[in-house]
Amino acid sequence: SAVISQKPSRDICQRGTSLTIQCQVDSQVTMMFWYRQQPGQSLTLIATANQGSEATYESGFVIDKFPISRPNLTFSTLTVSNMSPEDSSIYLCSVEQSNTGELFFGEGSRLTVL
Amino acid sequence: GNSVTQMEGPVTLSEEAFLTINCTYTATGYPSLFWYVQYPGEGLQLLLKATKADDKGSNKGFEATYRKETTSFHLEKGSVQVSDSAVYFCALNPQSNYQLIWGAGTKLIIKP
Repeated sequence: SAVISQKPSRDICQRGTSLTIQCQVDSQVTMMFWYRQQPGQSLTLIATANQGSEATYESGFVIDKFPISRPNLTFSTLTVSNMSPEDSSIYLCSVEQSNTGELFFGEGSRLTVL
Repeated sequence: GNSVTQMEGPVTLSEEAFLTINCTYTATGYPSLFWYVQYPGEGLQLLLKATKADDKGSNKGFEATYRKETTSFHLEKGSVQVSDSAVYFCALNPQSNYQLIWGAGTKLIIKP
């Protein structure tokens, strides 16, 4: 199983600023996924990040707000831009490794926007 | 379309009680089914899975059987512990395209 490290684990940010979340995987993976989990809610897929191409965003999410980088097969970043209190959530990085649809998750980055 | 419906929480039980968390799904074809668990302050981790009808997934005393006739994947445990307190998510993968469809999650609280 993949081991996924996310940084920061939590942060408190001011409105209007941006924060970049890093996701490091201990093995090479084709696709990485970024999810948002708002307080008390289920998971919502933000985008799928493939190495060497632009991320694919889900409905309701745009690149200007959530730019994603995928420079290699073990690393990705998600930036939350121009933050507002509504962006306060847990952001989760995940990968699919075994071709069974099973996902492995990082521990999440808990973001609070004041 | 594809969807997952979970029992609404929170579910509160006493230690050693029997647990059932209901999960039903709507999907075309033959999806894979999963239960994920999220302990307080942590990310999600896979609890168990089943990839075809009548398969039973099991782990840490939890079980769930893939019932195609009732489109269900209910999570059960015979005797819960305080350490089982967490949020449990049912999910399906419609056709192994890595886009999981998630249930809303069920918060489980176990009291000593």
